Amino acid sequence: DQQVKQNSPSLSVQEGRISILNCDYTNSMFDYFLWYKKYPAEGPTFLISISSIKDKNEDGRFTVFLNKSAKHLSLHIVPSQPGDSAVYFCAASAGAGTYKYIFGTGTRLKVLA
Amino acid sequence: DTAVSQTPKYLVTQMGNDKSIKCEQNLGHDTMYWYKQDSKKFLKIMFSYNNKELIINETVPNRFSPKSPDKAHLNLHINSLELGDSAVYFCASSQYSGAPGTQYFGPGTRLLVL
Repeated sequence: DQQVKQNSPSLSVQEGRISILNCDYTNSMFDYFLWYKKYPAEGPTFLISISSIKDKNEDGRFTVFLNKSAKHLSLHIVPSQPGDSAVYFCAASAGAGTYKYIFGTGTRLKVLA
Repeated sequence: DTAVSQTPKYLVTQMGNDKSIKCEQNLGHDTMYWYKQDSKKFLKIMFSYNNKELIINETVPNRFSPKSPDKAHLNLHINSLELGDSAVYFCASSQYSGAPGTQYFGPGTRLLVL
């Protein structure tokens, strides 16, 4: 029972264009979400987060949108750069009193030069 | 000055052996984690320690035993290794503040059981 799903295993985007990575969740108790980026042979590195009290959080080229009614979040990267090519994981937690995150299966982004 | 470090990076061993993976963090965090990433690329939590106390123990075979000698270290010992234990194991740490906080991951240990 996968509570956090990333239904697109891979995505290719031209350099300079927008990359949109999607994540769906099923547990309505989730109230804090993160995106991680992972290069081969490295551990995941934190990218950006969003709390359920917001519907948008922006950090430079990265913006995360949260649609609580649809139980959906997305990561937008604008403009995409070749160095953004990596696997992106979304993760969710049920907030206060919990210690763990549930991770999605990842989307491999390839930015074409 | 790596934030979260793991040793060894690669581990190749025979079925039935016992092995340990070490993890250290220098971020001053109070919570540490072990994750397993299997061949399907799922990142699944195995254990978590907060201030040296076990707080998460997912349905992991009891051949896996974590040990936290202090807040900065969380080691993973695996007895009687099986083929299905082959995976990448990631250590992570965070500062707990009523919620998990941002987790910082180590580079992973690639375990191959032959």
